[in-house]
Amino acid sequence: EIVLTQSPATLSVSPGETATLSCRASQSVSSNLAWYQQKPGQAPRLLIYGASTRATGIPARFSGSGSGTEFTLTISSLQSEDFAVYFCQQYKNWPPLTFGPGTKVDI
Amino acid sequence: QVQLVESGGGVVQPGRSLRLSCAASGFNFNIYGMHWVRHVPGKGLEWVAVAWYDGHDQYNADSVKGRFAISRDNSRSMLYLQMNSLRAEDTAVYYCVRGGPLSPFDYWGQGTLVTVSS
Repeated sequence: EIVLTQSPATLSVSPGETATLSCRASQSVSSNLAWYQQKPGQAPRLLIYGASTRATGIPARFSGSGSGTEFTLTISSLQSEDFAVYFCQQYKNWPPLTFGPGTKVDI
Repeated sequence: QVQLVESGGGVVQPGRSLRLSCAASGFNFNIYGMHWVRHVPGKGLEWVAVAWYDGHDQYNADSVKGRFAISRDNSRSMLYLQMNSLRAEDTAVYYCVRGGPLSPFDYWGQGTLVTVSS
């Protein structure tokens, strides 16, 4: 099973600033990594897939990078609607498909 | 547009059974893998099970193996999760999710809450 770790657990930022979130895999997942955003009471929403490709309708302020075992999600010029929990997920080796524990981005 | 609508959640006693359903629309159901993913309140996301294409290939997470069974009815674009021998730790919001092999979960339902409690 591929284990994903995310850091930090909580990130406190101000609107307009840049947030940098990290995801590390216990073994290589190539570029088979996705990022999701989840707000309270809502289903997760796909932001990034293939480590760096934005999903349909996702603003350009969201960007992903990395390959292998180290990945980064960057959110530039944070907007109020960006405060949420962010999960990474690998889809290279399954079963099981695995998620990271999440990073909460708050004010 | 793609829609996934779950139903069947509720409060159930430990050891009892529950069946979740997911109605899919807006896409060719037959050519996608369909999954159940759960979210324990205050904790992370856990993949539960997948049924590929015709439903004959199915995989479960170890935590539910032998207790949960995923199935699909392509003629009705429906996905199911039969949950037996429920435990308190199965309490979660269960999401119906679309995703193929080597591709992410691109569409999620709104979720249905399952609470296992005496």
